[in-house]
Amino acid sequence: AQKVTQAQTEISVVEKEDVTLDCVYETRDTTYYLFWYKQPPSGELVFLIRRNSFDEQNEISGRYSWNFQKSTSSFNFTITASQVVDSAVYFCALSASRDDKIIFGKGTRLHILP
Amino acid sequence: DTGVSQDPRHKITKRGQNVTFRCDPISEHNRLYWYRQTLGQGPEFLTYFQNEAQLEKSRLLSDRFSAERPKGSFSTLEIQRTEQGDSAMYLCASSLKASGKYEQFFGPGTRLTVL
Repeated sequence: AQKVTQAQTEISVVEKEDVTLDCVYETRDTTYYLFWYKQPPSGELVFLIRRNSFDEQNEISGRYSWNFQKSTSSFNFTITASQVVDSAVYFCALSASRDDKIIFGKGTRLHILP
Repeated sequence: DTGVSQDPRHKITKRGQNVTFRCDPISEHNRLYWYRQTLGQGPEFLTYFQNEAQLEKSRLLSDRFSAERPKGSFSTLEIQRTEQGDSAMYLCASSLKASGKYEQFFGPGTRLTVL
């Protein structure tokens, strides 16, 4: 069975601090895809990143970076120098190669305090 | 606007009534997905279509739920005899199944409140 666990339900940090959102996944598939989505207060899911299981290179996009480690089945997300606009719920998610449905974690609500 | 659109954005209904939601995917996207998101939870998969064929239905989709995509373009999700437990945000997403692409683009959702 596929499962995504985001142990941090809610995190609050002061603006300009760095923050890491944890994600642990379970799957028996050898090929799979991992995602992060952002859901701001407006409610719409915004795609942030997709990684496939064969690419363990870390990725950086501006203030965002992702650390994928197959050995620990983790796909963590770090925001550097956080800003108030980063306040949102962030979802980690998993999709198998033969089955496109996405399995989402329960999300981490991030509050960036001014 | 060339994104996924959903209509209505909000729906309030009384228990026992039927409701229908519509999703218009991004043009030429051949896959269309429905998810449900309850308060404080992540979206949960309900069903998906490739063109007009419904390829998978979740166990969450009881017999009161039916989804269609008759011409392979827009889709409708109908809930019959609504219950208070059906109150949720219903999200639609679309993707282009080609070359292993898996990026799903989500619509703004339809928030259903069953009184």
